[in-house]
Amino acid sequence: DAGVTQSPTHLIKTRGQHVTLRCSPISGHKSVSWYQQVLGQGPQFIFQYYEKEERGRGNFPDRFSARQFPNYSSELNVNALLLGDSALYLCASSLAPGQGHGEQYFGPGTRLTVT
Amino acid sequence: AQSVAQPEDQVNVAEGNPLTVKCTYSVSGNPYLFWYVQYPNRGLQFLLKYITGDNLVKGSYGFEAEFNKSQTSFHLKKPSALVSDSALYFCAVSPLTGTDKLIFGTGTRLQVFP
Repeated sequence: DAGVTQSPTHLIKTRGQHVTLRCSPISGHKSVSWYQQVLGQGPQFIFQYYEKEERGRGNFPDRFSARQFPNYSSELNVNALLLGDSALYLCASSLAPGQGHGEQYFGPGTRLTVT
Repeated sequence: AQSVAQPEDQVNVAEGNPLTVKCTYSVSGNPYLFWYVQYPNRGLQFLLKYITGDNLVKGSYGFEAEFNKSQTSFHLKKPSALVSDSALYFCAVSPLTGTDKLIFGTGTRLQVFP
C-alpha cells in the first residue's frame, strides 16, 4: 500500500504570492492533518480535516486555509506569503480523529521557500 | 498549557552502547505520549506510544520508552545503538481534544559513532 503522498516536493515562491500544497492520505484513512515544521523546531499543528469538515485548528493566521475532498485528499492554501512561512509542511493521515489515539502516518513533506 | 520538553539538542553515543533520549511533559489529566523519528529529507515515522498500562513501552527498531508519572517523563531508550539510528527524534503529547493534534518537542539529534 502506498503511504501518504504530498506534492510538490519543493517549491520556491516570492513574498505576497499564494501557494497550494496537496496531500493524499493512506487508502482507508479519512482524516488528514497538516503541520508546519520550521528549521530547528518541532512540527506545529495547523489543521485537521475529517469527512471534509475542519475538526481542529492550530494557532495560525487566517492566511492559512485548507479543505478536504470527497476522496479524502486535502489541500493547504497559504495567501500573502511571508518569509517566515518558509518551512517543511507535513501532512499526516489517520483512520479518524482519536481512533488511533493520536497515531498518525506522515508524508515526506513539501519544502516551501519564500524569497 | 500542554507542552513537551526535550532538554538535549544532541546526544552522542558510540555504536553498541545504550542510548537514552530524554523527554518531559506537562499535561492535564492522563497523557497520550509518542516518539517519532525523522531521517534527512523524510517525514516523521512513528516509533511507539504510551496510552495506559505497563510503564515500559516497546516499539519499532528495538526502541523502548519508560513512562514515569511522578517525574512526568517519557525517555526513549535502546540497549545497543546502531549507526543507522542516527536521526532526529521527537517526543509528542496528544492533548485529547477529540482531534489528532500532537504537540511536539523541539527534537533531539542522535548521533551514533562507529
